[in-house]
Amino acid sequence: SQTIHQWPATLVQPVGSPLSLECTVEGTSNPNLYWYRQAAGRGLQLLFYSVGIGQISSEVPQNLSASRPQDRQFILSSKKLLLSDSGFYLCAWSWGALGIQYFGAGTRLSVL
Amino acid sequence: AQTVTQSQPEMSVQEAETVTLSCTYDTSESDYYLFWYKQPPSRQMILVIRQEAYKQQNATENRFSVNFQKAAKSFSLKISDSQLGDAAMYFCAYKEEYGNKLVFGAGTILRVKS
Repeated sequence: SQTIHQWPATLVQPVGSPLSLECTVEGTSNPNLYWYRQAAGRGLQLLFYSVGIGQISSEVPQNLSASRPQDRQFILSSKKLLLSDSGFYLCAWSWGALGIQYFGAGTRLSVL
Repeated sequence: AQTVTQSQPEMSVQEAETVTLSCTYDTSESDYYLFWYKQPPSRQMILVIRQEAYKQQNATENRFSVNFQKAAKSFSLKISDSQLGDAAMYFCAYKEEYGNKLVFGAGTILRVKS
């Protein structure tokens, strides 16, 4: 069966520090991968998605970037965090036409 | 661009009762997919139910069912025999038939009273 791992679960970072959040999927090949951000009590904002290695689509201009160095690995990065980058970050994967997305457990990022 | 609207920011239901969450969407496509996701306090997103637009029959998963009205572009979720564990944020989502992205609504917080 397929599983998705996302880490860390919680992260507290100072303003101006770098960021790296990692997401990996097991049990499937060539999945679509997604990064979302969710503010407290709000909906999901799609940040990036990828349909293959090295293929990244950015949905919202911002201080973040994404990379997909391997088929089942998706990384969210920032060179210098801003206070506004605080939030809950979710990774998800999907496969096939039906496009059901399966989500990781999320990372709670606090930028202080 | 497609949009998904959930007009109820919060809903409450008594345990064992039935509640319906509303969702409308805007699209010019004829074939697409619709989903309801649940986000409990743990914040893990869980798929509740899905509906293919080409299917006229409403999807059902145990206590969860949908009322899919294609002409009205409406996709409501009915939860029967509500349980305390149903308390969560519920998101409606839309996907084009060959698209890669989900478009989410803003969510509805469901509170279950004992």
